[in-house]
Amino acid sequence: SQQGEEDPQALSIQEGENATMNCSYKTSINNLQWYRQNSGRGLVHLILIRSNEREKHSGRLRVTLDTSKKSSSLLITASRAADTASYFCATAPPQGQLTFGSGTQLTVLP
Amino acid sequence: DTEVTQTPKHLVMGMTNKKSLKCEQHMGHRAMYWYKQKAKKPPELMFVYSYEKLSINESVPSRFSPECPNSSLLNLHLHALQPEDSALYLCASSQDHLGRSSYEQYFGPGTRLTVT
Repeated sequence: SQQGEEDPQALSIQEGENATMNCSYKTSINNLQWYRQNSGRGLVHLILIRSNEREKHSGRLRVTLDTSKKSSSLLITASRAADTASYFCATAPPQGQLTFGSGTQLTVLP
Repeated sequence: DTEVTQTPKHLVMGMTNKKSLKCEQHMGHRAMYWYKQKAKKPPELMFVYSYEKLSINESVPSRFSPECPNSSLLNLHLHALQPEDSALYLCASSQDHLGRSSYEQYFGPGTRLTVT
């Protein structure tokens, strides 16, 4: 079953702007992960945030996690055309499998 | 080496054919996965191998048959597929599994399968 729902489904911004994607989930988690997928390619792991963490940074990426609201957000700052891709959140429950959300298609216009 | 390789990149097969997809990783990961992904959808888990043993089969039809010859290799044997099986098939690996999914997964580029 699909654990995460992402919002928005599609996002189009200008180069240099910030992009924010949100992920909501339903059950308890050990961690939440974000992945990027370029069209027709494999997924690339971006960042993992544990259930006891609230915020994490990696380069131009900032991830927040609110376990009380069962939600996470991914912020990409100063976006580039090369950031154009689909972004998926994935939840890792205490027992069971990594489950991917529905994804956000980000388009960064040059 | 943090790469997962998959062959072939593209595969077109008829419904009576038998073919195999191959996946290889040299990161020392002990868990390997097969996913199926349809266009504009998230990956769907098919199989998980943990320490070279099949640990999870997500009710996948028997026309898909996984095999893990050793800790670095994962195969997916295909037989008598249907047109609706056309999809991107992704292989992934992670450090460990042991019934839990806490580790990040490393994905291969996928095999684009078309069943005619």
